[in-house]
Amino acid sequence: DAGVIQSPRHEVTEMGQEVTLRCKPISGHNSLFWYRQTMMRGLELLIYFNNNVPIDDSGMPEDRFSAKMPNASFSTLKIQPSEPRDSAVYFCASSLGRALTEAFFGQGTRLTVV
Amino acid sequence: AQSVSQHNHHVILSEAASLELGCNYSYGGTVNLFWYVQYPGQHLQLLLKYFSGDPLVKGIKGFEAEFIKSKFSFNLRKPSVQWSDTAEYFCAVILSGGYQKVTFGTGTKLQVIP
Repeated sequence: DAGVIQSPRHEVTEMGQEVTLRCKPISGHNSLFWYRQTMMRGLELLIYFNNNVPIDDSGMPEDRFSAKMPNASFSTLKIQPSEPRDSAVYFCASSLGRALTEAFFGQGTRLTVV
Repeated sequence: AQSVSQHNHHVILSEAASLELGCNYSYGGTVNLFWYVQYPGQHLQLLLKYFSGDPLVKGIKGFEAEFIKSKFSFNLRKPSVQWSDTAEYFCAVILSGGYQKVTFGTGTKLQVIP
């Protein structure tokens, strides 16, 4: 398996623009997590899905952020409009969503909003 | 709600020194415990995990961790660190049952000086 695949790896955008980050979880995994990592706040869980259903989105910073998982093999995290303070590395992770399993992380998307 | 505490935010050691990074969690039920490592510029990778059985868990690269249920702790240890161990280390917890949400600690940055 290719692991968790995220795209793009790097994104530079201007303030106010819409940004869409993509994630393909490991096949067969039914839990998917979006994390944001910054120097100031460390690793933050934004949202997680189980069987394509959002279970906990309490970490989503504000209404500018939205996430979808239309099917078991694809998820998006959208920021609209983007702001410079959204600059961070965004990680997607997936797991089997049951006991005795760990989460596997993608390579991350480094987002820079100028 | 479950939480994970890593009290050491930044640790600096000389090569060959011994390492112990603290991790405490707040949940009274059955948990699965993990340590992840993030090398500079890379994604999180699993270092070791505890599900059940022997509370002393051995992972990759000479790391080990001990689960002490009475102390709600899962400290990471290595008897002799190397420069290549410079990285950020994250403790994580999954509660057994439910949606298997992964909760991460805030991370500990380890800097090993040659």
